[in-house]
Amino acid sequence: NAGVMQNPRHLVRRRGQEARLRCSPMKGHSHVYWYRQLPEEGLKFMVYLQKENIIDESGMPKERFSAEFPKEGPSILRIQQVVRGDSAAYFCASSPAGGHGYTFGSGTRLTVV
Amino acid sequence: EDQVTQSPEALRLQEGESSSLNCSYTVSGLRGLFWYRQDPGKGPEFLFTLYSAGEEKEKERLKATLTKKESFLHITAPKPEDSATYLCAVQALGAGGTSYGKLTFGQGTILTVHP
Repeated sequence: NAGVMQNPRHLVRRRGQEARLRCSPMKGHSHVYWYRQLPEEGLKFMVYLQKENIIDESGMPKERFSAEFPKEGPSILRIQQVVRGDSAAYFCASSPAGGHGYTFGSGTRLTVV
Repeated sequence: EDQVTQSPEALRLQEGESSSLNCSYTVSGLRGLFWYRQDPGKGPEFLFTLYSAGEEKEKERLKATLTKKESFLHITAPKPEDSATYLCAVQALGAGGTSYGKLTFGQGTILTVHP
């Protein structure tokens, strides 16, 4: 019974490159959430998705960031033209409909050099 | 806007020394209050969800309680392996009483238990 799977665990990008973070939800979970944890800060909500649908993107920066959860395959968080301030741990969580059983993955640690 | 404040920011205990962590919150309508444990370099690990004032839940040395304004995480006779950051989060009710989805987190309390 695999939990929420995120990959890669660590990602290093040069300024200006693109970063793609992947999240496979737990089996049976249809809702995916992305959070960002900056150094010395708490977890901040970014986006909430269901299959082929963005439900709430109120926490997403207006530029360079996008997310999708296609009908087939993992959810993707995409960061274009990364800057040093994007360096953080990005966590994905999933839940079944209704929001019970909210489970987090181990995160992707993005470092921009 | 939903807000969560945790105190203290850091807590150092001797093994066996019981204490409590506080989580104060403001939310338009509470669907649930969550407690997580996070170890360095790992994702948050679910501990409890509390849904209504007066509710209590226990797991090993941990007990979580909820009032209309705050939640406490009581740690009884802690051990060094309880050292971690403890996170509190709230989930608001959406329109029609449905789940709103996102969690709003506090900054966390860093607990260190010395042998």
